[in-house]
Amino acid sequence: QKEVEQNSGPLSVPEGAIASLNCTYSDRGSQSFFWYRQYSGKSPELIMSIYSNGDKEDGRFTAQLNKASQYVSLLIRDSQPSDSATYLCAVNSGGSNYKLTFGKGTLLTVNP
Amino acid sequence: GAVVSQHPSRVICKSGTSVKIECRSLDFQATTMFWYRQFPKQSLMLMATSNEGSKATYEQGVEKDKFLINHASLTLSTLTVTSAHPEDSSFYICSASRQGTEAFFGQGTRLTVV
Repeated sequence: QKEVEQNSGPLSVPEGAIASLNCTYSDRGSQSFFWYRQYSGKSPELIMSIYSNGDKEDGRFTAQLNKASQYVSLLIRDSQPSDSATYLCAVNSGGSNYKLTFGKGTLLTVNP
Repeated sequence: GAVVSQHPSRVICKSGTSVKIECRSLDFQATTMFWYRQFPKQSLMLMATSNEGSKATYEQGVEKDKFLINHASLTLSTLTVTSAHPEDSSFYICSASRQGTEAFFGQGTRLTVV
């Protein structure tokens, strides 16, 4: 059973702070990793993808991957109230057809 | 990113009736489409993987005779919930994958069975 684990939160940070979201996965054969943002009642929206060990930065977002530890994280710098959402970690173990296993998500609240 | 359109966004149906949900890739050909279900405050659960021109692959515990999937073309997959019951009420989301790229999600369909 392939599993993706996230702390459900809620994680509450003040506006302007750094929010740190974490995720672990069980399948060592996993090849690619994604962070999605989901607002209440809406479909997930892709924020970041990461494929190799290390950091990947895109604007205020940084994804970090450590395959040896089976760990992936997302840092959000200068957090804004509009970042308040559920963040889903997803892992692709299905090769090129992108069959994703999702974690349960972490609810982030950014307080003004 | 690529555009995936899902229709309808909301549907209310009576218990015992069937409901069809469409998922279209608007600007690319999707070799594979996925159907997910999400209950309140839960994560997305994969129901089935749909490959164009072949039978869908269902996840364990998902009734293939109840959730009919058709992927007749590279731009359209449909999910039909047959003989719907209140416990089928959920948020159904499709995603489409272009070979070698990420999967993109549709807007989702909120199904309420009364």
